[in-house]
Amino acid sequence: ILNVEQSPQSLHVQEGDSTNFTCSFPSSNFYALHWYRWETAKSPEALFVMTLNGDEKKKGRISATLNTKEGYSYLYIKGSQPEDSATYLCARAQGAQKLVFGQGTRLTINP
Amino acid sequence: DVKVTQSSRYLVKRTGEKVFLECVQDMDHENMFWYRQDPGLGLRLIYFSYDVKMKEKGDIPEGYSVSREKKERFSLILESASTNQTSMYLCASTTLRVSYNEQFFGPGTRLTVL
Repeated sequence: ILNVEQSPQSLHVQEGDSTNFTCSFPSSNFYALHWYRWETAKSPEALFVMTLNGDEKKKGRISATLNTKEGYSYLYIKGSQPEDSATYLCARAQGAQKLVFGQGTRLTINP
Repeated sequence: DVKVTQSSRYLVKRTGEKVFLECVQDMDHENMFWYRQDPGLGLRLIYFSYDVKMKEKGDIPEGYSVSREKKERFSLILESASTNQTSMYLCASTTLRVSYNEQFFGPGTRLTVL
């Protein structure tokens, strides 16, 4: 059963606009939350691994926040560029080894 | 750089064939994983291995087996391929030497079973 939910499933954004999307997960027994970016024809690559409630992480124009008490994380992209087009995956860690992935948000940046 | 490679990017097989998907990582990672990705379903774990010759079932192991004879190599086997195994297959690895470490993925194998 998929217990990590991402919304929206797809998103079209104009170049230069900022956007955000959501990952929801069960808040009990929380270990860590991962965000990955998966560009077409490439391997998924880690963006962030977040472990603490209130965590905020940033990489360039991309940032993420984490609320473990209510079970959600937001990913923000500021000033979208065509190279941001990708599927963004979040995954909740089950202990130290396994990840449970959401279905992903497919982001398309329109020039 | 961590590198995870998979034996094929695209593969076409016939129903009933035995299929081997190979994955190799070069960073001495203890853990290796096989996922499949289908539209609208996200990545689903088929099997994982935490050591040589050790394996554990993931969420959807039916119809698959795995082999890990060497630390760097993890193979996924479809004993008798069926059309519902048409999918994108991703291999990943990670280490327990770093807490909550990210997984490193291969480029994927798109398998079509006719």
